[in-house]
Amino acid sequence: NSKVIQTPRYLVKGQGQKAKMRCIPEKGHPVVFWYQQNKNNEFKFLINFQNQEVLQQIDMTEKRFSAECPSNSPCSLEIQSSEAGDSALYLCASRTGTTNTGQLYFGEGSKLTVL
Amino acid sequence: GDSVTQTEGQVALSEEDFLTIHCNYSASGYPALFWYVQYPGEGPQFLFRASRDKEKGSSRGFEATYDKGTTSFHLRKASVQESDSAVYYCALGYNVGDNSKLIWGLGTSLVVNP
Repeated sequence: NSKVIQTPRYLVKGQGQKAKMRCIPEKGHPVVFWYQQNKNNEFKFLINFQNQEVLQQIDMTEKRFSAECPSNSPCSLEIQSSEAGDSALYLCASRTGTTNTGQLYFGEGSKLTVL
Repeated sequence: GDSVTQTEGQVALSEEDFLTIHCNYSASGYPALFWYVQYPGEGPQFLFRASRDKEKGSSRGFEATYDKGTTSFHLRKASVQESDSAVYYCALGYNVGDNSKLIWGLGTSLVVNP
């Protein structure tokens, strides 16, 4: 069964280091989301794409975070200079493009720990 | 802005108990409402969605009815099993314009004891 594949499952970084996570969305899903889930289970939307184009993103993403979804390559989310507050589970999700309220398919997440 | 409130942070039940997890929302428009479930070590999984007032969503024995009057979408299951232990999230989203992201509640952790 196809599903959303996220790598790596775990990252440990020092403050100031780069942290990069990758996501392969479900086959045929043009819309990809990145969420940050903190230890209190809060979901924070970071960015979403339709094909290679950014649909929405938050200010945090614009400043220290960079993300892309190139054609024929995994999507990626990179933190340029990690901070302790970035420690969280980063979830990638995909869906079809037919409706904004379609089912999201999530990966298992990449758990980032910033020391 | 729009928001989703789940009043119970944690619910502890025994097998075969009846489950209710409360979800209330505040929305400027007419959103679709969702329930997702997250098992330990996994990403959230879609349970079901409802898009209109009085519509009932259901899956795996869970159900919820969209109630625009009380702005609620409470999750219910008649008889829980230990395998239902997980975190349950209520969320809302819109099907119009560029607003494609979901607004999530803080989740309700369900623990079912054998």
